[in-house]
Amino acid sequence: KNQVEQSPQSLIILEGKNCTLQCNYTVSPFSNLRWYKQDTGRGPVSLTIMTFSENTKSNGRYTATLDADTKQSSLHITASQLSDSASYICVVSAYSSASKIIFGSGTRLSIRP
Amino acid sequence: EADIYQTPRYLVIGTGKKITLECSQTMGHDKMYWYQQDPGMELHLIHYSYGVNSTEKGDLSSESTVSRIRTEHFPLTLESARPSHTSQYLCASSEAGEDTGELFFGEGSRLTVL
Repeated sequence: KNQVEQSPQSLIILEGKNCTLQCNYTVSPFSNLRWYKQDTGRGPVSLTIMTFSENTKSNGRYTATLDADTKQSSLHITASQLSDSASYICVVSAYSSASKIIFGSGTRLSIRP
Repeated sequence: EADIYQTPRYLVIGTGKKITLECSQTMGHDKMYWYQQDPGMELHLIHYSYGVNSTEKGDLSSESTVSRIRTEHFPLTLESARPSHTSQYLCASSEAGEDTGELFFGEGSRLTVL
């Protein structure tokens, strides 16, 4: 069964601190993995995309990693800011089928001043 | 910013009413999707379309219906709303023919059925 599991479910950190969010998946055949940021009451916005051959990719203070062998990904946020408070959703796509875009349930991140 | 728009953003209606959630995109994307999301929960695909006159049901069973008469427009209709339909509905689009296609989401329509 295609599944995407994220941990932790929620996380609270102080402004300026770093954090790492985890994503484990069982999706086949694997096409790509994206991390999305969803602000409260808004639609998700893509942060990074990882394909099978990529191990790490950065987007500003966001760095995503992918281990295709263990089917794990992480999203590392450096020097967190209040605006980073949001849900972060791991989304894994299988090839060529809209019905195989699998969403994780997200990690709710709260940044405290 | 993505050019995909949903209306209304918020809707409170009584049981039994017919409602249509509008979704329009100006990016010329062939693929469009409707997702349902309850608070704090994951998104579930309820409908998708690969182009004009093409619509399919998603993984989550839904009593809603969709139509795709124009490329840019993908409305969702509930003929008779019930409290169980209370949820957030997110519309998205992506370019066709790309396995790595990014989903562009609208702001969502939050529906409350009393």
